[in-house]
This record gives sequence, C-alpha cells and structure tokens, in this order.
Amino acid sequence: QKEVEQDPGPLSVPEGAIVSLNCTYSNSAFQYFMWYRQYSRKGPELLMYTYSSGNKEDGRFTAQVDKSSKYISLFIRDSQPSDSATYLCAMSGYGNKLVFGAGTILRVKS
Amino acid sequence: NAGVTQTPKFRILKIGQSMTLQCTQDMNHNYMYWYRQDPGMGLKLIYYSVGAGITDKGEVPNGYNVSRSTTEDFPLRLELAAPSQTSVYFCASSYPSTGGTDTQYFGPGTRLTVL
Repeated sequence: QKEVEQDPGPLSVPEGAIVSLNCTYSNSAFQYFMWYRQYSRKGPELLMYTYSSGNKEDGRFTAQVDKSSKYISLFIRDSQPSDSATYLCAMSGYGNKLVFGAGTILRVKS
Repeated sequence: NAGVTQTPKFRILKIGQSMTLQCTQDMNHNYMYWYRQDPGMGLKLIYYSVGAGITDKGEVPNGYNVSRSTTEDFPLRLELAAPSQTSVYFCASSYPSTGGTDTQYFGPGTRLTVL
C-alpha cells in the first residue's frame, strides 16, 4: 500500500464549478499537510499548508484535514480556466521528509 | 531573487553516458533536494542536503551522486545513464523552520531522456 494515495484524474469541470481534490494516507505520524500546484512544464509551487486536523481558507481555496480518517481535501470554489494544473498533495511527520501523492490533473473548461 | 534555477532545461543522453544536472538557489536556504517525477508517480526524493558538505540518500538514490560544496549549489550526477532514468528532475530548497516541517521551493525542472 502506498503511503499517500491520490486519484490521478484527469478531472474535467466547467468554469465556475466547485472542485474537490482528495488524498488518503496510511502513516498516522503525518502532521503537516500541503497542497502544491504544478502548471504544465513548470515546477510545483506551494498553494496551501495546514498543520494537524481542521480547515484553512485562502480566497477561493479551502484545505481540510481529517486525521481520524487519514483523509485530506482541497476545495476550489468558482473554478477558473487558470486553475487548470496538476495538484499534488504532500505530507510529513515532524522533521521528516515530504511524501507526495501522484498528483491530480485538473482541467477547467471555459 | 531568481529563486531556484536548474540547467539544462532539456537533455537527451545515450545509454552509458554521464552528465551533471546543475541546481543553484539564491535564497540562502540550508536544505536542498533532488526529486524525479515520472508520469502518474508523483515526486520521488533522490538525495537531499542539510548544509554544505552534508548529503544523504532519499528514496531512490541508485544511479545518482550528489555533492554540496557551497550553500548555493547542489549538482546531481548521473553515471552510466539508463533508460529507467528518463524522467523530469526537480531541485528544491528550503529554510528549516524552528519546529515542524519546512516549505520547499522548486526549480523549473530538467527533462531528461535516455535512449
């Protein structure tokens, strides 16, 4: 079983839709949870960062962590064509290296 | 700030050839990393360094070598290239936080094909 599982998609939605991206994980030591966005032929860039369980909101983006279910989500409201990218979840324990999911390809159609 | 820069952007190698992927950061970050990204496989850590003169293996180090003589530079060496090393290589850097995990900043990547 992989430490981090992420549906690779692709996920195709119309402009304005609410998008839900998800990851599950098996290592209960993970405490830090991140979402990276990667545009085509570019390096990943940090989008959201949360510690332990709970929600965090930043503009149209909301990150949720449910440690009891070992499940994290990223919600994108009012999705735009510029949101089309690959979204990678990443997580780590205290002081440990990041473990990445495989990435979900998102396409927002105008 | 240029951030993390990588050269070359693209390279085609023949089996058995060797090459060095260059990575430089101008953010004075202590930590630097090399990852490879294969389609549908996410990012796999090859090697990392916590400071000049200190390197350690990641998840997939076989076939690669690194050195860290300065804070800014972290080159990745491929010896005897194999088709299995065809991938996109990303360098990243971070400044260690006082607690918890650190935020990594990525370079634009090097696309390597081994034929």
